[in-house]
Amino acid sequence: GAGVSQSPRYKVAKRGQDVALRCDPISGHVSLFWYQQALGQGPEFLTYFQNEAQLDKSGLPSDRFFAERPEGSVSTLKIQRTQQEDSAVYLCASSLTRGTNQPQHFGDGTRLSIL
Amino acid sequence: DQQVKQNSPSLSVQEGRISILNCDYTNSMFDYFLWYKKYPAEGPTFLISISSIKDKNEDGRFTVFLNKSAKHLSLHIVPSQPGDSAVYFCAASAAAGANSKLTFGKGITLSVRP
Repeated sequence: GAGVSQSPRYKVAKRGQDVALRCDPISGHVSLFWYQQALGQGPEFLTYFQNEAQLDKSGLPSDRFFAERPEGSVSTLKIQRTQQEDSAVYLCASSLTRGTNQPQHFGDGTRLSIL
Repeated sequence: DQQVKQNSPSLSVQEGRISILNCDYTNSMFDYFLWYKKYPAEGPTFLISISSIKDKNEDGRFTVFLNKSAKHLSLHIVPSQPGDSAVYFCAASAAAGANSKLTFGKGITLSVRP
């Protein structure tokens, strides 16, 4: 498809389990972002990749969160030992370049529920 | 602290009338502003943007106005249509930052009545 693709759309896990969320950006897009959206809030920045380099991970809430983009295309967000407060929608976005004035295009997100 | 604020949680307008959605920001380093539209169970869809070197940008029924001195921007939709009913997010980024990460407001739910 032409847009950002995320999988799975929904994920239910028991507290303490590890989860992995996948993002397929728009082909050719250099920049990739992960955001976390809690209910009733706007998306909040987690981490940023330029090609395969993770240039900013300042938004990751704890060391249980890990993201990678090994070949500069598909990215995976991994959450270890999940907690109930990790329940949220996780959004991936990509943009053409690192430059300014480039809108980010979002996927439909993965809704994560931790029981 | 919220660097991007959308103080009105909801807005209801009649079809055919103008919708005005407001957004305020506090970080003077922000220089690129965007509006996104979001339907339930979908990701945010890019609507329109404006650079800080401009004070107005127009795209069809959508116009964004930027008042840098007041740190305020607004989205005007004219005429409003029932299909415009959605949550609208204001977002901002700073070119001088290490990346162009977006800072979002909490969103405004727009309802357009037929």
